[in-house]
Amino acid sequence: EPEVTQTPSHQVTQMGQEVILRCVPISNHLYFYWYRQILGQKVEFLVSFYNNEISEKSEIFDDQFSVERPDGSNFTLKIRSTKLEDSAMYFCASSPLGGAAYNEQFFGPGTRLTVL
Amino acid sequence: GENVEQHPSTLSVQEGDSAVIKCTYSDSASNYFPWYKQELGKRPQLIIDIRSNVGEKKDQRIAVTLNKTAKHFSLHITETQPEDSAVYFCAASIMLSTNAGKSTFGDGTTLTVKP
Repeated sequence: EPEVTQTPSHQVTQMGQEVILRCVPISNHLYFYWYRQILGQKVEFLVSFYNNEISEKSEIFDDQFSVERPDGSNFTLKIRSTKLEDSAMYFCASSPLGGAAYNEQFFGPGTRLTVL
Repeated sequence: GENVEQHPSTLSVQEGDSAVIKCTYSDSASNYFPWYKQELGKRPQLIIDIRSNVGEKKDQRIAVTLNKTAKHFSLHITETQPEDSAVYFCAASIMLSTNAGKSTFGDGTTLTVKP
């Protein structure tokens, strides 16, 4: 069964550094999402993406964050200048349908980001 | 923005008993309500979902009810088993016809099923 994949599984970085988290959504999916989950807390929506543009974003998704679908298969989340509070598990998700025909979002295994 | 409240935060039941988790939401535009199960260190996995034009949905031991007027929805697990032990999250989503939508999650309920 096809799955969403994410790399790396764990990323350690120094405060102020840029990080890029990578996701490969399921191949025929059209809608893409990033979420984060601080250890022991709830899942928080960051951004959704469709048709090569951002659909929705949360208050967390400020100017330090950006997303891109550079080559038709990868979906990336970039954090320009990481802060300590960016340490979290970042989940990518994709969905085959959206809008009025909304359907299940399939989550990737996550990337654990640790900012020192 | 949307606010989702989930109760209880922890729930302990005996194997074979039922478990009920409740969520309320604030934005009447929310039209899709998934429930996720998350085991320790794993990704959230959808266990059941309901759309705003449906009042109840059942899948074997799991059922979800939605009251749009009161803006609340509930997860019911019957005949619980130890492998049901996990954190359960509800979510309220606004899905529009022209974009990928947005989801707000509840704080989660840690369910423990004692053998």
